[in-house]
Amino acid sequence: QQQVKQSPQSLIVQKGGIPIINCAYENTAFDYFPWYQQFPGKGPALLIAIRPDVSEKKEGRFTISFNKSAKQFSLHIMDSQPGDSATYFCAASGGGSEKLVFGKGTKLTVNP
Amino acid sequence: DGGITQSPKYLFRKEGQNVTLSCEQNLNHDAMYWYRQDPGQGLRLIYYSQIVNDFQKGDIAEGYSVSREKKESFPLTVTSAQKNPTAFYLCASSPTTAQDYEQYFGPGTRLTVT
Repeated sequence: QQQVKQSPQSLIVQKGGIPIINCAYENTAFDYFPWYQQFPGKGPALLIAIRPDVSEKKEGRFTISFNKSAKQFSLHIMDSQPGDSATYFCAASGGGSEKLVFGKGTKLTVNP
Repeated sequence: DGGITQSPKYLFRKEGQNVTLSCEQNLNHDAMYWYRQDPGQGLRLIYYSQIVNDFQKGDIAEGYSVSREKKESFPLTVTSAQKNPTAFYLCASSPTTAQDYEQYFGPGTRLTVT
């Protein structure tokens, strides 16, 4: 019940493409769903986050889509750039706990 | 310059030795966390602390110990009991308000044990 399943494990797109990373969860008490971006050798940084009261949130080229009934959420990167090449982690928390449960990550490569 | 510092960036130790990883934050956050990152495994929680002088085990606490004597500091000791200590270790903090669970991460320490 505490797992967050993330797919795909790796993703390669051309510059300008729209990579999509998907996550699914089981615990219906989760109420906070962040995405983190991590470059090699660095700590993760918060990219964008959503709560279940909205179905979509956009910040710049990054969009989270949230489907509460399916217990799924996804990250879309519009007009992807080589500088977006990084590992992306979804996470979830809630039910009175501030602990984040992380997906296993998606390594994104954007080719020039 | 606010943030989380972890030192050192790289650490090498011989098997059988305990080693302590430093984590300091000046964000005035109440909660602090330690994660371990291995390739393809995501981030796994080792220990976390919500207030000074209190901490809880995470999912993989065996072979690790922590202390929280000051709000700003949360050092992690990797003991000789940890079977596979070579990994990338990440410290994080969060404000733990009711509506905000955002965690801020440090730059990490890469530990190699041979």
